Amino acid sequence: GQQVMQIPQYQHVQEGEDFTTYCNSSTTLSNIQWYKQRPGGHPVFLIQLVKSGEVKKQKRLTFQFGEAKKNSSLHITATQTTDVGTYFCAGYSGAGSYQLTFGKGTKLSVIP
Amino acid sequence: NAGVMQNPRHLVRRRGQEARLRCSPMKGHSHVYWYRQLPEEGLKFMVYLQKENIIDESGMPKERFSAEFPKEGPSILRIQQVVRGDSAAYFCASSPDYGYTFGSGTRLTVV
Repeated sequence: GQQVMQIPQYQHVQEGEDFTTYCNSSTTLSNIQWYKQRPGGHPVFLIQLVKSGEVKKQKRLTFQFGEAKKNSSLHITATQTTDVGTYFCAGYSGAGSYQLTFGKGTKLSVIP
Repeated sequence: NAGVMQNPRHLVRRRGQEARLRCSPMKGHSHVYWYRQLPEEGLKFMVYLQKENIIDESGMPKERFSAEFPKEGPSILRIQQVVRGDSAAYFCASSPDYGYTFGSGTRLTVV
């Protein structure tokens, strides 16, 4: 079945430093979604990318979808303590599938 | 969380007891998805339901787990004879135009 892998598993950064998490799928994705989960909270939808090579920005966050639609990245510029949490990528396991397959996430810690 | 309501937030059960988790989707939505999150893991799909119908239960363990979404009332995820390995966070979600909107989850602890 489809596998979605994320690296790194953990990342500790000093406040103000940049952060990047990478997502790779074993199969081509129709789209990719990103979620953020604060400690003790629930996943919150951030964005969906659909097109090959697509780049989207949300303030300090930049999302990219690879040309082959099998990989994606999330980059945060100048991290803040409010960025703390786990970032998940997710994609559908196949055409017409209802199963959103999540990566294991990258847990971000920001040292003030 | 706006829209998707889950209860209870925390549930403690002894081994062998039954756990019932409830979920009401966003207003106007008649479908729910259930996902399980083990500690330090991503979310795993369990089941997709619409009212009075199971659409996809391919992620449900074969034994002890069942789900329903009756015509009236919330969706119920039922775990019979719980074991320690069932300890996890269980989330349900609605799917508006883009992405999922998750509920706050039920943290199940089996002692």
